[in-house]
Amino acid sequence: DGGITQSPKYLFRKEGQNVTLSCEQNLNHDAMYWYRQDPGQGLRLIYYSQIVNDFQKGDIAEGYSVSREKKESFPLTVTSAQKNPTAFYLCASSMELQNTEAFFGQGTRLTVV
Amino acid sequence: GEDVEQSLFLSVREGDSSVINCTYTDSSSTYLYWYKQEPGAGLQLLTYIFSNMDMKQDQRLTVLLNKKDKHLSLRIADTQTGDSAIYFCAERANTGGFKTIFGAGTRLFVKA
Repeated sequence: DGGITQSPKYLFRKEGQNVTLSCEQNLNHDAMYWYRQDPGQGLRLIYYSQIVNDFQKGDIAEGYSVSREKKESFPLTVTSAQKNPTAFYLCASSMELQNTEAFFGQGTRLTVV
Repeated sequence: GEDVEQSLFLSVREGDSSVINCTYTDSSSTYLYWYKQEPGAGLQLLTYIFSNMDMKQDQRLTVLLNKKDKHLSLRIADTQTGDSAIYFCAERANTGGFKTIFGAGTRLFVKA
C-alpha cells in the first residue's frame, strides 16, 4: 500500500538533546513538508522540499534542520536551539509543490522532559 | 497578511446537520480545502473547491464558497459519531507561491 509513514508515534527528549523525526513516503512524490501543530493553532510550516537535495525554510524554521538525500525520505531534526519543541509534528507529501492534494502522515508527538 | 479563521468548537446531535464555517483574507486564493483530523492522527483531505466555484457536493458533504465575503463552509448531513474530529479549513494563497495557510481547526463533538 502506498502512503506516508512517520516514526516514532511518541518521542520523549531531554532538554538540550537533539532528536530526529522520521518521514518516509512511497508515493513517488517530489514535494515533502514538515508542519508543527500546537493546541488552538493552525498548522505551521517548518521546512519544505520541492525535490531531492533541495529544501527551503518555512515560517518557523529556527531550531530545526532537515535533509533530503533520497526522494522517499525527509527527516526532521529538532535541535537544542528550539526553545519550545513540545508539539505534534506532521509530515506531508504531494506530487509536486503546486499540487492541490497533500497526503499527511500520522504524526509524531514530541515531549521534552 | 494571510489568515484563516474558524471557530474552535461545534457540538451537534447525531443525525443533525453540522455546519463548520471559515473565513480567509487572501482574495487571490486559488484552492480552498477541508481536512479532517481524528485523535492522534494526521490530516485527511476531505474535499476542496476551486475559487471559481460556488458549491461542491460529495455525498454527505457540501462546500459553499462566498468569494465576495471570503467565507467558506462545510456542511455534513446526517452527522454520525464517527464524524467527531477536528476539521481544518485551508487556503492555497497565490501570494508567495504555493503556500497553504491552515486555520486553527474546529473540534466537532457529536452527541448520541
